[in-house]
Amino acid sequence: GAVVSQHPSRVICKSGTSVKIECRSLDFQATTMFWYRQFPKQSLMLMATSNEGSKATYEQGVEKDKFLINHASLTLSTLTVTSAHPEDSSFYICSASPRTGGYGYTFGSGTRLTVV
Amino acid sequence: AQKVTQAQTEISVVEKEDVTLDCVYETRDTTYYLFWYKQPPSGELVFLIRRNSFDEQNEISGRYSWNFQKSTSSFNFTITASQVVDSAVYFCALSEPGTASKLTFGTGTRLQVTL
Repeated sequence: GAVVSQHPSRVICKSGTSVKIECRSLDFQATTMFWYRQFPKQSLMLMATSNEGSKATYEQGVEKDKFLINHASLTLSTLTVTSAHPEDSSFYICSASPRTGGYGYTFGSGTRLTVV
Repeated sequence: AQKVTQAQTEISVVEKEDVTLDCVYETRDTTYYLFWYKQPPSGELVFLIRRNSFDEQNEISGRYSWNFQKSTSSFNFTITASQVVDSAVYFCALSEPGTASKLTFGTGTRLQVTL
């Protein structure tokens, strides 16, 4: 149980375009989802906390207008990188917390974004 | 503020050696959770263990064991008889109390196991 699916696993896009990444909880309802970013050979940094039906909470230094998060249902959160630039190239990974209480330890498989 | 320190950036061992990965944490919370994750080259995060702050019992799972010492704020991870498949980056993480657990990760330790 507690499977999180993340799509796409890899994406290459041109500078200036937008990219949407999906995070789905397959066998549980997720009130809360988290989006992390990981630069090569670095740790995971929390970008934002996504709450179903309400606005996301962004960590300090994360541009909310650039990284749009939508959590419209209990099984789906999306991260859209708008007007992507090469410096947005990174590994993005989501984590979902079961609605019944849990400890957020289910992660998606990640999305490697390359902006050219 | 919460902080997790993994002082070992990279460790290289020969197969069958035992290896311990260190993790030291800081938090003002009396209730918290500690985690270890494995990140193989493919990138996904593999959950290894969760420990709550009230349970200081050491845990063993096959070749893996964990030593939680509240007195020194440490949660070390030992792999016994390491194997090449253990090669990965290992992250220690700390969560806030509550059901929506925001994780604070350490910087990770890259373990290389060679033949």
